[in-house]
Amino acid sequence: AQSVTQPDIHITVSEGASLELRCNYSYGATPYLFWYVQSPGQGLQLLLKYFSGDTLVQGIKGFEAEFKRSQSSFNLRKPSVHWSDAAEYFCAVGTLGQGGSEKLVFGKGTKLTVNP
Amino acid sequence: EPEVTQTPSHQVTQMGQEVILRCVPISNHLYFYWYRQILGQKVEFLVSFYNNEISEKSEIFDDQFSVERPDGSNFTLKIRSTKLEDSAMYFCASSEDEGRATQYFGPGTRLLVL
Repeated sequence: AQSVTQPDIHITVSEGASLELRCNYSYGATPYLFWYVQSPGQGLQLLLKYFSGDTLVQGIKGFEAEFKRSQSSFNLRKPSVHWSDAAEYFCAVGTLGQGGSEKLVFGKGTKLTVNP
Repeated sequence: EPEVTQTPSHQVTQMGQEVILRCVPISNHLYFYWYRQILGQKVEFLVSFYNNEISEKSEIFDDQFSVERPDGSNFTLKIRSTKLEDSAMYFCASSEDEGRATQYFGPGTRLLVL
């Protein structure tokens, strides 16, 4: 069965420091991978996605993620974190359902705290 | 930029009551989804919908749940007889294509069943 693991439940970094959030997936076919961010009381905003091609993908707000097939990973990175990046981050894998539609399987999320 | 909207943002109901959660997907999208997130847990897929039919549903989506596209813009999730364990944040999402397409999420409806 498809699954996504985010091993870090909570990460705290200082403003200006670099950030890496880990994501490992399990999916039999070529994965479609996503990172979403959820600010407190808000919905899920798409940060970036990987469908194919270049394994380093750029997203909004200065985030990037690298797909590594050999490690089944899709880690999210940002070189310098801003206080406004404090939120919960979800990694997801898209899986094709029976009717041809896609459903997303999410990880449990990583809560990011940014210290001033 | 077009976005998915959901109403209400919060709903409190008594156990056993029916609730209808409403969503307006992005206008040119054809595929619609409901997900839920119980407090402190991961976001879970409930159902996908296309061409006025359910494409896929999870084991969570039992007979108490139903979805409908009553007109050209709204997409609803009905829970017929709410249980305490239905308390969660419910997200609607839409995508313009099937298969490998990006899903865009609404802000969610927080449902509290007392």
